[in-house]
Parts: sequence; structure tokens; C-alpha cells
Amino acid sequence: QQQVKQSPQSLIVQKGGIPIINCAYENTAFDYFPWYQQFPGKGPALLIAIRPDVSEKKEGRFTISFNKSAKQFSLHIMDSQPGDSATYFCAANKGSARQLTFGSGTQLTVLP
Amino acid sequence: DAGVIQSPRHEVTEMGQEVTLRCKPISGHDYLFWYRQTMMRGLELLIYFNNNVPIDDSGMPEDRFSAKMPNASFSTLKIQPSEPRDSAVYFCASTETGVNTEAFFGQGTRLTVV
Repeated sequence: QQQVKQSPQSLIVQKGGIPIINCAYENTAFDYFPWYQQFPGKGPALLIAIRPDVSEKKEGRFTISFNKSAKQFSLHIMDSQPGDSATYFCAANKGSARQLTFGSGTQLTVLP
Repeated sequence: DAGVIQSPRHEVTEMGQEVTLRCKPISGHDYLFWYRQTMMRGLELLIYFNNNVPIDDSGMPEDRFSAKMPNASFSTLKIQPSEPRDSAVYFCASTETGVNTEAFFGQGTRLTVV
């Protein structure tokens, strides 16, 4: 019930490509879905987050698409750059509970 | 604010030794979390505190692990005795009460138990 499944495990795209990372959850009580970005040797940092009352949220080149009925959400990175190469984690949180349940992570490589 | 501060950044210890990891959360944050990151299991929540009180420690793997938060600005995660399978990166994160507020992570402590 607490699991968040993330795919793919790794992704390689050319500069300018649009990598898409997908996540699925089971617990319908989840109501906050952040994406975290992690560079080697650093802690995860919040990239963008969405609540289930909207189907899409965009911040700069990063877009979250949310499908409540399918219990799925995805991250799209427009015009990807080599500097976007990092590990991306989706996560989910419910209500006032503070603990995040993380997906397994996707290692993204953007080739120059 | 300097962010969440963890120490040490790297720790190498021998099996059976006691290890203590330290964390200073962001000032004013009332939630503190300890996570463990490994290749096999990803990011796992070990325990979290609210106002210095442990709320959920169901992620603590064994009795060898213990965590304390004696005051709002300091927390420790202790492993005694340590085992090679405890080798991982341990992250501390903090956040504040509110709707969907961001969790800020420290840079982590890379623990190697040989």
C-alpha cells in the first residue's frame, strides 16, 4: 500500500531530447507528489511537486503530468541539457503525515 | 541558513564498532527525518521526529539502530554494533509544519563498515 513504483531505472537521451520518467502508486490516500533531483555526492533536492487536484504542472523545462484515475504521474524534461544528468526520484506523501515514500530512482544521462 | 548539516561526510569503521551520525536541521523546522540510501533498496525512511519526539521508527532495521533528538537543533543516529550490511549513505532531512512543505536534505554521510 505504501509503494511507489518508478521506471525506467536508467535513461539516456541526446541533448534537446525529452526524457520521460514514470511513477505509479497504490495508496489512494496519497495527496502530494514531489519529484526530487539528486547529483552525485549530494542530497536529493526538490524539483517540482503536484497535488492531485490538477492534471499538469509546469516549472521552466520541467512538467509533471498526473492521472488520478490511473494512479500514475510522470516527469517530462523539455529541451534536456547535459546539466540535467542526475538521478530523479518520485515520491508521495499523504495529508498531514510528513514522511515521503520514494520511488526507486531513475538515473538520467543527457549526452552533449 | 546553511541548510541541513550532517557530520561526518564519510565514515569508515570496522565491523562491531559503534558509529554515530550527526545532524543539525534547518532552524525553525519541527520535523526531522533519517533516511538510508543503498543501490538495492533506494531511499528508505528510518525514523522521523516531530518537535524532538520520535513519531515513527518502523523503518529502523534492527535494535542495533537507535536515534535521538535531545533538542530542536541536533539529532544523532547510532549503530551499535555496526555490520558490513549497514554500509550506505545516510541522509538527514528537515521540514516545517504546513501543507506539503518541502523537505530539505543534508549532503549525507557515506558509511563504510569493513
